[in-house]
Amino acid sequence: AQSVTQLGSHVSVSEGALVLLRCNYSSSVPPYLFWYVQYPNQGLQLLLKYTTGATLVKGINGFEAEFKKSETSFHLTKPSAHMSDAAEYFCAVTHSGNTGKLIFGQGTTLQVKP
Amino acid sequence: EAGVAQSPRYKIIEKRQSVAFWCNPISGHATLYWYQQILGQGPKLLIQFQNNGVVDDSQLPKDRFSAERLKGVDSTLKIQPAKLEDSAVYLCASLFQGGNTIYFGEGSWLTVV
Repeated sequence: AQSVTQLGSHVSVSEGALVLLRCNYSSSVPPYLFWYVQYPNQGLQLLLKYTTGATLVKGINGFEAEFKKSETSFHLTKPSAHMSDAAEYFCAVTHSGNTGKLIFGQGTTLQVKP
Repeated sequence: EAGVAQSPRYKIIEKRQSVAFWCNPISGHATLYWYQQILGQGPKLLIQFQNNGVVDDSQLPKDRFSAERLKGVDSTLKIQPAKLEDSAVYLCASLFQGGNTIYFGEGSWLTVV
């Protein structure tokens, strides 16, 4: 079985500050991990993904995440927050056997203050 | 390349009424998914199709929800009769054969009053 826990349902940062959104997963098989962003009244947009290979993955809009197997974590970071980053962020896990069957976390709302 | 198309975008119905949502996946994508996203929660898979066959519908409330993909391309998700707790966003997604990333549509927002 697989599961995802996102620590912190709301995160608030100042513009220009570091963004850190936490995601821990549980999986009995090698995981594929994803971060999606959802802007108000819109669908889900893929930010980045880890499947195999390099554990530090870079995505769109300056975001990156590092897969740490020993910590079962896949935290999302961005060095400097921008007002346009305010959105809902979802971490999700799946595996190679059925890559579209995603298990999502509860989501983290990112607020960026001027 | 056109993305996943969904309609209608918004729907308000009274409880016990019926509603249907339509999805057209990205051209060539054999696998199609319907997810339900309740406000404040992450999306949850309802049903997965491979071409026109159902692969997984274990999370679909079959007493009121039904879905079909008759020709292996577009799909319809129906709710009848609707309950208040069905208020959610219904997201359609598709996956290319052998791919590892699914692509989501904009979603169909349902409010049951």
